[in-house]
Amino acid sequence: NAGVTQTPKFQVLKTGQSMTLQCAQDMNHNSMYWYRQDPGMGLRLIYYSASEGTTDKGEVPNGYNVSRLNKREFSLRLESAAPSQTSVYFCASLGIGSYEQYFGPGTRLTVT
Amino acid sequence: AQSVTQLDSQVPVFEEAPVELRCNYSSSVSVYLFWYVQYPNQGLQLLLKYLSGSTLVKGINGFEAEFNKSQTSFHLRKPSVHISDTAEYFCAVNRAGGTSYGKLTFGQGTILTVHP
Repeated sequence: NAGVTQTPKFQVLKTGQSMTLQCAQDMNHNSMYWYRQDPGMGLRLIYYSASEGTTDKGEVPNGYNVSRLNKREFSLRLESAAPSQTSVYFCASLGIGSYEQYFGPGTRLTVT
Repeated sequence: AQSVTQLDSQVPVFEEAPVELRCNYSSSVSVYLFWYVQYPNQGLQLLLKYLSGSTLVKGINGFEAEFNKSQTSFHLRKPSVHISDTAEYFCAVNRAGGTSYGKLTFGQGTILTVHP
């Protein structure tokens, strides 16, 4: 049982480049989330998807887009990367009626 | 909106000593409360949660937390820590009910370092 998987694990981008972070879960969870983690700031919600076919903004959505491709997969796209987007990105999923979010291992992104 | 404040950014402690990691929250509505742990270079794992009922909540790895509504606190405790408890700990809140289900607000994190 893989739980929540994320690819890639590490990425270095130049300012202005684009990329997509991939996330998949095999727990049949309805809800999925993207967070960014910065030192001293905890985790902040970027976007979430309460169910397949829906997405909504979180606390810090600017500069990002998301796609809920199907029930399993939820991707995060940076269209034009900026140094301020250097961070560790976590994907999480949540089943109906549960309050325990399951987190992936994270993607460490550096924008130069 | 809700907010979470973890009062200590770093807590050093010796092995087998007790520890308390402090968390205060602010919200105009009822909330659910959580503690997550992050070991180095890993994702987050749920330690324990408070949804309702008994204000003393027990979690994994011998941790417990007490919900204090009057002081809007949810402090995490362990009576005797091990080296393996070295990690970063996050307190989080979720507004109870409605469309806020699953939308966690995290504190800044507390790095617990256990020394031999």
